[in-house]
Amino acid sequence: GNSVTQMEGPVTLSEEAFLTINCTYTATGYPSLFWYVQYPGEGLQLLLKATKADDKGSNKGFEATYRKETTSFHLEKGSVQVSDSAVYFCALRPTGNQFYFGTGTSLTVIP
Amino acid sequence: GAGVSQSPSNKVTEKGKDVELRCDPISGHTALYWYRQSLGQGLEFLIYFQGNSAPDKSGLPSDRFSAERTGGSVSTLTIQRTQQEDSAVYLCASSWTSGSSYNEQFFGPGTRLTVL
Repeated sequence: GNSVTQMEGPVTLSEEAFLTINCTYTATGYPSLFWYVQYPGEGLQLLLKATKADDKGSNKGFEATYRKETTSFHLEKGSVQVSDSAVYFCALRPTGNQFYFGTGTSLTVIP
Repeated sequence: GAGVSQSPSNKVTEKGKDVELRCDPISGHTALYWYRQSLGQGLEFLIYFQGNSAPDKSGLPSDRFSAERTGGSVSTLTIQRTQQEDSAVYLCASSWTSGSSYNEQFFGPGTRLTVL
């Protein structure tokens, strides 16, 4: 079946620290992979995406590389800011209509 | 233009009552999704509409849940005889089409449902 497993939270980091949020997946076929972010009081919004193996999605200093050999799509940022505090969701879309989301990882960045 | 809107933003109801949640997608978006987000859980897929095709109802948790989409635009999710375990945030999302493998979903702010 299709599923997403992402790193348990909450994660607390100091400003300018390095961030990694792990995400692994199980999927049939060749899925597209996504990271969505939910800032406090706001709806989910797309952060970045990758549609095929070895693609790197990037946005706002965040990056994630589609690794088919390890079925992973880990989210990274070299230097986090207080404004990055949010809940991050990894998601996949296999061929078809449904998206599958992870449980979300809460990130708090302290000054 | 305007994003996805949902109403009400908050709904408190008594166990056993019926509730209707509304989603107004982005104009022109042919695909519409409903999800449920419970405390400590990820997003749980409920139902998907694509144009005039029959909806994918595979995620609806019980026959108390139903949804319709009138005129290919506004959608209503109805929960009959609500139970306390129905308490959650109900999210709606829309996108242009499901034909491509990477179309972005645009999410509404959600409706927080509390069943007492």
